[in-house]
Amino acid sequence: EAQVTQNPRYLITVTGKKLTVTCSQNMNHEYMSWYRQDPGLGLRQIYYSMNVEVTDKGDVPEGYKVSRKEKRNFPLILESPSPNQTSLYFCASSLSAWVASNQPQHFGDGTRLSIL
Amino acid sequence: DQQVKQNSPSLSVQEGRISILNCDYTNSMFDYFLWYKKYPAEGPTFLISISSIKDKNEDGRFTVFLNKSAKHLSLHIVPSQPGDSAVYFCAARVNNDMRFGAGTRLTVKP
Repeated sequence: EAQVTQNPRYLITVTGKKLTVTCSQNMNHEYMSWYRQDPGLGLRQIYYSMNVEVTDKGDVPEGYKVSRKEKRNFPLILESPSPNQTSLYFCASSLSAWVASNQPQHFGDGTRLSIL
Repeated sequence: DQQVKQNSPSLSVQEGRISILNCDYTNSMFDYFLWYKKYPAEGPTFLISISSIKDKNEDGRFTVFLNKSAKHLSLHIVPSQPGDSAVYFCAARVNNDMRFGAGTRLTVKP
């Protein structure tokens, strides 16, 4: 089954404790991205990756890091989490960004992070 | 700066009637528009899209209309069904950048 898998689904942690949210897709997609969803703001793009070893900042990259060492994985890293990073996070992938219009993004089921 | 806006946070309609969800945008460079549907505890799923060179795209019960001069698009669902109850996000693309609206929660009452 084609899917985007995020882990963990829920996490409560404390300020400053480094955490990683993993994202894996089994569709051989080139393009992957991370979003955060906040009330009244919709989904905002954090980082995206056009392909292996190619990553770029989205709308709201501050406080986040990503890496793309393999095609299927795109982890989101919070080196020193702060309470304003409490949010619902989604990973997404598509065949290619250039044809994203015909190959819409597939989303994971989300990770709810609470930073105390 | 929110370039894609969904001004109605919620909409309630009766089963069998038409649901109309609206979306406004400010960036005239957007070249593709999409609607996603989201159920609780799940990620958004793609519903329908439209290129900026078209003004209408239809897929079964779902039709998206684009008015470029007004920078407005809308999603029509006819007839609405209780299973359509979800949050609907409008999205617009320019280059590698995808911008989403804040979403509209649709409730279809039996």
